[in-house]
Amino acid sequence: QKEVEQNSGPLSVPEGAIASLNCTYSDRGSQSFFWYRQYSGKSPELIMFIYSNGDKEDGRFTAQLNKASQYVSLLIRDSQPSDSATYLCAVNEGNKLVFGAGTILRVKS
Amino acid sequence: GAVVSQHPSRVICKSGTSVKIECRSLDFQATTMFWYRQFPKQSLMLMATSNEGSKATYEQGVEKDKFLINHASLTLSTLTVTSAHPEDSSFYICSADRVGYGYTFGSGTRLTVV
Repeated sequence: QKEVEQNSGPLSVPEGAIASLNCTYSDRGSQSFFWYRQYSGKSPELIMFIYSNGDKEDGRFTAQLNKASQYVSLLIRDSQPSDSATYLCAVNEGNKLVFGAGTILRVKS
Repeated sequence: GAVVSQHPSRVICKSGTSVKIECRSLDFQATTMFWYRQFPKQSLMLMATSNEGSKATYEQGVEKDKFLINHASLTLSTLTVTSAHPEDSSFYICSADRVGYGYTFGSGTRLTVV
């Protein structure tokens, strides 16, 4: 199985700051990249997905993809305490998703 | 949208009994659904891919006779944990992919085997 790597954290940022979450993947054939947020005891919630190199913005969230470097990131602007959660990066392998271990984000008020 | 409903949300069963978990796509048809398991403080591990009208595809190391998957319609997949044991206690989550909406997850089922 291909690998998806994330720093486990925790990543601590003050309220209002930009949180930057990073993910690398091993399969050069991957075409689809997903970011999920998971609160403790809950199932993952899709934040956004990206297919093309470059940036994709949705509200306070921006996903960045660099296929040459096999790197995808998620930026959260104006971080709020409610953004505190585990952020999962997922990459397609065929029609399946391979997940990273997740990065714990803590936003301190 | 792409809504996936999963039931029950929580179940406690005795060791040796079987438990059935349902996963429904509410506003779209899903020819393929995915079943994951998540242990505390670990990431999601894909157990199997459920295919409508055909046999499920299981990941390496997952016992297909223990985790029975049925995908009898385009909106319903079920996972039955047979002869459950305490080590099967986990968080089970289903997922489906709708083109344009990404992979959406059900709310999950917390299984506790006592």
